[in-house]
Amino acid sequence: GEDVEQSLFLSVREGDSSVINCTYTDSSSTYLYWYKQEPGAGLQLLTYIFSNMDMKQDQRLTVLLNKKDKHLSLRIADTQTGDSAIYFCAERARGSTLGRLYFGRGTQLTVWP
Amino acid sequence: GAVVSQHPSRVICKSGTSVKIECRSLDFQATTMFWYRQFPKQSLMLMATSNEGSKATYEQGVEKDKFLINHASLTLSTLTVTSAHPEDSSFYICSARNTGERAEAFFGQGTRLTVV
Repeated sequence: GEDVEQSLFLSVREGDSSVINCTYTDSSSTYLYWYKQEPGAGLQLLTYIFSNMDMKQDQRLTVLLNKKDKHLSLRIADTQTGDSAIYFCAERARGSTLGRLYFGRGTQLTVWP
Repeated sequence: GAVVSQHPSRVICKSGTSVKIECRSLDFQATTMFWYRQFPKQSLMLMATSNEGSKATYEQGVEKDKFLINHASLTLSTLTVTSAHPEDSSFYICSARNTGERAEAFFGQGTRLTVV
């Protein structure tokens, strides 16, 4: 099956930028997603990028996609303590007729005041 | 984004009993629903995929008689954990999406199941 890898932990100071990285193996991925999970809660869709795009920006969030290296990153500008959560990278393969997603293990982002 | 409501958010049950978890799409028609299980500090493990009106497709290693999934309408899917045991204690999350290539998947808030 498809593999999605993420580093497990990231700590930053409030006000700094956070960069969460993700690699995937399926070159036929159509969409790549970033989800946020707060403790005891479900997943909140933050943003997604189509595979023919290199970059997508949405307020404090910037997604970069390097399709050649199968590398996806999420940059959070001016990180706040409220951004502390687990961030999941997910991919949707071209052959996934029902829209099945494959998730990484999640990156625990801790923001220090 | 669209709203997916999952109920209950927490449930404690005795070993041997059954528990039903509901997943509702509130403002869109959910043609496809996914049920995930999440272990502490781990990723989401897909248990099954269900299409409205069809039998669910279970992932390898997931017992379909243990985890009954019903997707009888375009806005509701249920997961019933039958004859629950302590090892079934986990966080269960549903996800729903509409048809269409561009459709995103939206997640419920999850259900924390504790079997005692």
